[in-house]
Amino acid sequence: DTEVTQTPKHLVMGMTNKKSLKCEQHMGHRAMYWYKQKAKKPPELMFVYSYEKLSINESVPSRFSPECPNSSLLNLHLHALQPEDSALYLCASSQEGPNQPQHFGDGTRLSIL
Amino acid sequence: AQSVTQPDIHITVSEGASLELRCNYSYGATPYLFWYVQSPGQGLQLLLKYFSGDTLVQGIKGFEAEFKRSQSSFNLRKPSVHWSDAAEYFCAVAPTDSWGKFQFGAGTQVVVTP
Repeated sequence: DTEVTQTPKHLVMGMTNKKSLKCEQHMGHRAMYWYKQKAKKPPELMFVYSYEKLSINESVPSRFSPECPNSSLLNLHLHALQPEDSALYLCASSQEGPNQPQHFGDGTRLSIL
Repeated sequence: AQSVTQPDIHITVSEGASLELRCNYSYGATPYLFWYVQSPGQGLQLLLKYFSGDTLVQGIKGFEAEFKRSQSSFNLRKPSVHWSDAAEYFCAVAPTDSWGKFQFGAGTQVVVTP
Protein backbone atom coordinates (compact mmCIF):
# COMPACT_ATOMS: atom_id res chain seq x y z
CA ASP A 1 0.00 0.00 0.00
CA THR A 2 1.26 3.41 -0.96
CA GLU A 3 1.44 6.17 1.64
CA VAL A 4 0.79 8.82 -0.98
CA THR A 5 -2.80 8.71 -2.18
CA GLN A 6 -3.88 10.11 -5.52
CA THR A 7 -7.41 10.61 -6.80
CA PRO A 8 -8.92 9.90 -9.18
CA LYS A 9 -7.06 6.87 -10.54
CA HIS A 10 -8.40 7.49 -14.04
CA LEU A 11 -9.72 10.66 -15.65
CA VAL A 12 -11.07 11.27 -19.13
CA MET A 13 -11.76 14.85 -20.09
CA GLY A 14 -12.40 17.00 -23.11
CA MET A 15 -10.13 19.81 -24.15
CA THR A 16 -12.54 22.44 -22.83
CA ASN A 17 -13.12 20.85 -19.42
CA LYS A 18 -11.75 21.92 -16.07
CA LYS A 19 -10.74 19.20 -13.65
CA SER A 20 -8.42 18.70 -10.69
CA LEU A 21 -6.07 15.97 -9.56
CA LYS A 22 -5.60 15.45 -5.85
CA CYS A 23 -2.75 14.10 -3.79
CA GLU A 24 -2.57 13.47 -0.06
CA GLN A 25 0.19 12.29 2.25
CA HIS A 26 0.30 11.85 6.02
CA MET A 27 3.99 11.15 6.51
CA GLY A 28 4.76 14.67 7.72
CA HIS A 29 6.73 15.43 4.58
CA ARG A 30 7.18 19.11 3.80
CA ALA A 31 8.09 18.73 0.13
CA MET A 32 5.64 17.60 -2.53
CA TYR A 33 6.05 17.07 -6.25
CA TRP A 34 4.09 16.65 -9.47
CA TYR A 35 5.51 14.56 -12.29
CA LYS A 36 4.25 13.70 -15.75
CA GLN A 37 5.07 10.28 -17.17
CA LYS A 38 4.49 9.19 -20.75
CA ALA A 39 4.42 5.50 -21.64
CA LYS A 40 7.82 3.79 -21.58
CA LYS A 41 9.51 6.99 -20.35
CA PRO A 42 10.85 8.15 -16.98
CA PRO A 43 8.89 10.67 -14.91
CA GLU A 44 9.38 14.32 -15.83
CA LEU A 45 9.34 16.85 -13.01
CA MET A 46 6.66 19.54 -13.28
CA PHE A 47 6.43 21.31 -9.92
CA VAL A 48 7.98 21.20 -6.45
CA TYR A 49 6.42 22.63 -3.31
CA SER A 50 8.43 23.20 -0.18
CA TYR A 51 6.64 24.18 3.02
CA GLU A 52 3.51 24.86 0.95
CA LYS A 53 5.28 27.32 -1.32
CA LEU A 54 6.06 26.71 -4.96
CA SER A 55 9.84 26.38 -5.26
CA ILE A 56 10.31 24.82 -8.70
CA ASN A 57 8.26 25.19 -11.88
CA GLU A 58 9.85 23.37 -14.76
CA SER A 59 8.43 25.75 -17.39
CA VAL A 60 5.10 23.97 -17.33
CA PRO A 61 2.32 25.45 -19.53
CA SER A 62 -0.17 27.60 -17.65
CA ARG A 63 -3.00 25.17 -18.43
CA PHE A 64 -1.55 23.22 -15.48
CA SER A 65 -2.00 25.08 -12.20
CA PRO A 66 -0.69 23.59 -8.95
CA GLU A 67 -1.98 24.37 -5.50
CA CYS A 68 -0.84 23.31 -2.04
CA PRO A 69 -3.64 24.12 0.44
CA ASN A 70 -1.76 22.62 3.41
CA SER A 71 1.22 20.44 4.18
CA SER A 72 -0.68 17.21 3.46
CA LEU A 73 -2.48 18.13 0.26
CA LEU A 74 -1.40 18.91 -3.27
CA ASN A 75 -3.72 19.67 -6.16
CA LEU A 76 -3.17 20.03 -9.87
CA HIS A 77 -5.84 22.06 -11.65
CA LEU A 78 -6.30 21.31 -15.32
CA HIS A 79 -7.87 23.56 -17.93
CA ALA A 80 -7.94 23.55 -21.73
CA LEU A 81 -5.58 20.60 -22.02
CA GLN A 82 -4.28 19.23 -25.28
CA PRO A 83 -4.24 15.60 -26.46
CA GLU A 84 -0.48 15.47 -25.89
CA ASP A 85 -1.15 16.05 -22.20
CA SER A 86 -2.52 12.53 -21.92
CA ALA A 87 -0.18 10.75 -19.52
CA LEU A 88 0.22 9.30 -16.05
CA TYR A 89 0.48 12.09 -13.47
CA LEU A 90 2.45 11.13 -10.39
CA CYS A 91 2.56 12.86 -7.06
CA ALA A 92 5.45 12.37 -4.65
CA SER A 93 6.50 13.64 -1.27
CA SER A 94 9.70 13.73 0.75
CA GLN A 95 11.45 15.26 3.68
CA GLU A 96 13.36 18.35 2.64
CA GLY A 97 16.95 17.81 1.59
CA PRO A 98 18.83 16.45 -1.44
CA ASN A 99 19.43 13.04 0.10
CA GLN A 100 15.81 12.40 0.91
CA PRO A 101 14.06 9.75 -1.17
CA GLN A 102 10.80 10.65 -2.79
CA HIS A 103 7.73 8.55 -2.08
CA PHE A 104 5.33 8.18 -4.98
CA GLY A 105 1.61 7.65 -5.31
CA ASP A 106 0.14 5.30 -7.90
CA GLY A 107 -0.75 8.16 -10.19
CA THR A 108 -3.74 9.42 -12.13
CA ARG A 109 -4.08 8.12 -15.68
CA LEU A 110 -5.31 11.13 -17.68
CA SER A 111 -6.80 10.89 -21.16
CA ILE A 112 -7.67 14.00 -23.17
CA LEU A 113 -10.27 13.53 -25.87
CA ALA B 1 26.43 18.23 -18.53
CA GLN B 2 24.96 16.16 -15.72
CA SER B 3 23.47 12.89 -16.84
CA VAL B 4 22.38 9.45 -15.75
CA THR B 5 22.46 6.52 -18.14
CA GLN B 6 20.86 3.11 -18.06
CA PRO B 7 22.47 1.36 -21.03
CA ASP B 8 20.01 -1.52 -21.20
CA ILE B 9 16.52 -0.64 -22.40
CA HIS B 10 15.24 -4.19 -22.08
CA ILE B 11 16.49 -7.30 -20.27
CA THR B 12 15.00 -10.80 -20.37
CA VAL B 13 15.92 -13.16 -17.57
CA SER B 14 14.77 -16.64 -16.56
CA GLU B 15 13.05 -17.11 -13.25
CA GLY B 16 15.64 -18.12 -10.68
CA ALA B 17 18.54 -16.61 -12.60
CA SER B 18 20.54 -13.63 -11.41
CA LEU B 19 19.87 -10.10 -12.57
CA GLU B 20 22.11 -7.06 -12.91
CA LEU B 21 20.93 -3.66 -14.07
CA ARG B 22 23.45 -1.00 -14.95
CA CYS B 23 23.42 2.67 -14.04
CA ASN B 24 26.13 5.21 -14.84
CA TYR B 25 26.15 8.87 -13.91
CA SER B 26 28.09 11.94 -14.88
CA TYR B 27 28.15 14.63 -12.20
CA GLY B 28 30.75 17.02 -10.86
CA ALA B 29 30.52 15.51 -7.39
CA THR B 30 29.15 12.14 -6.40
CA PRO B 31 25.39 12.61 -6.24
CA TYR B 32 22.93 10.82 -4.05
CA LEU B 33 21.81 7.63 -5.78
CA PHE B 34 18.52 5.73 -5.80
CA TRP B 35 16.88 2.78 -7.50
CA TYR B 36 13.12 2.64 -8.04
CA VAL B 37 10.83 -0.03 -9.48
CA GLN B 38 7.56 0.56 -11.28
CA SER B 39 5.09 -2.25 -11.87
CA PRO B 40 2.43 -1.78 -14.55
CA GLY B 41 -0.27 0.67 -13.53
CA GLN B 42 1.54 1.69 -10.36
CA GLY B 43 3.78 4.42 -9.07
CA LEU B 44 7.46 4.18 -8.33
CA GLN B 45 8.62 2.23 -5.28
CA LEU B 46 11.98 2.92 -3.68
CA LEU B 47 14.24 -0.15 -3.66
CA LEU B 48 17.36 1.34 -2.08
CA LYS B 49 19.50 4.43 -1.77
CA TYR B 50 23.16 5.38 -1.39
CA PHE B 51 24.52 8.47 0.31
CA SER B 52 27.94 7.50 1.67
CA GLY B 53 29.74 4.80 3.58
CA ASP B 54 29.54 1.12 2.70
CA THR B 55 29.50 0.82 -1.07
CA LEU B 56 27.27 -2.28 -1.02
CA VAL B 57 23.73 -1.28 -0.18
CA GLN B 58 20.92 -3.66 0.72
CA GLY B 59 17.36 -2.88 -0.27
CA ILE B 60 13.90 -4.34 -0.22
CA LYS B 61 12.67 -7.41 -2.15
CA GLY B 62 16.15 -9.00 -2.03
CA PHE B 63 17.86 -6.34 -4.14
CA GLU B 64 21.30 -4.89 -3.54
CA ALA B 65 23.38 -2.27 -5.33
CA GLU B 66 27.08 -1.55 -5.47
CA PHE B 67 28.50 1.95 -5.77
CA LYS B 68 31.79 2.21 -7.66
CA ARG B 69 33.23 5.70 -7.62
CA SER B 70 36.00 4.88 -10.13
CA GLN B 71 33.41 3.77 -12.67
CA SER B 72 30.69 6.30 -11.75
CA SER B 73 28.33 3.38 -11.50
CA PHE B 74 25.57 2.19 -9.21
CA ASN B 75 24.48 -1.21 -10.48
CA LEU B 76 21.49 -3.08 -9.11
CA ARG B 77 21.59 -6.84 -8.54
CA LYS B 78 19.40 -9.68 -7.42
CA PRO B 79 20.76 -13.22 -7.01
CA SER B 80 17.55 -15.05 -7.99
CA VAL B 81 14.66 -13.33 -9.73
CA HIS B 82 11.00 -14.12 -9.21
CA TRP B 83 8.23 -13.69 -11.77
CA SER B 84 6.97 -10.74 -9.68
CA ASP B 85 10.21 -8.85 -10.41
CA ALA B 86 9.04 -8.16 -13.95
CA ALA B 87 8.76 -4.39 -14.04
CA GLU B 88 10.44 -1.15 -15.12
CA TYR B 89 13.47 -0.15 -13.10
CA PHE B 90 14.71 3.43 -12.83
CA CYS B 91 17.99 4.70 -11.52
CA ALA B 92 17.73 8.22 -10.10
CA VAL B 93 20.34 10.71 -8.97
CA ALA B 94 20.05 13.86 -6.90
CA PRO B 95 22.77 16.53 -6.81
CA THR B 96 24.22 17.20 -3.39
CA ASP B 97 24.20 20.98 -3.72
CA SER B 98 20.48 21.42 -4.34
CA TRP B 99 17.34 19.45 -3.81
CA GLY B 100 14.03 18.71 -5.41
CA LYS B 101 15.37 17.73 -8.80
CA PHE B 102 15.78 14.03 -9.19
CA GLN B 103 17.23 13.06 -12.54
CA PHE B 104 15.92 9.70 -13.73
CA GLY B 105 17.57 7.34 -16.14
CA ALA B 106 15.57 6.16 -19.14
CA GLY B 107 14.64 2.95 -17.37
CA THR B 108 15.22 -0.77 -17.96
CA GLN B 109 12.29 -3.06 -18.71
CA VAL B 110 12.79 -6.47 -17.08
CA VAL B 111 10.92 -9.46 -18.47
CA VAL B 112 11.00 -12.73 -16.50
CA THR B 113 10.48 -15.98 -18.38
CA PRO B 114 9.45 -19.30 -16.79
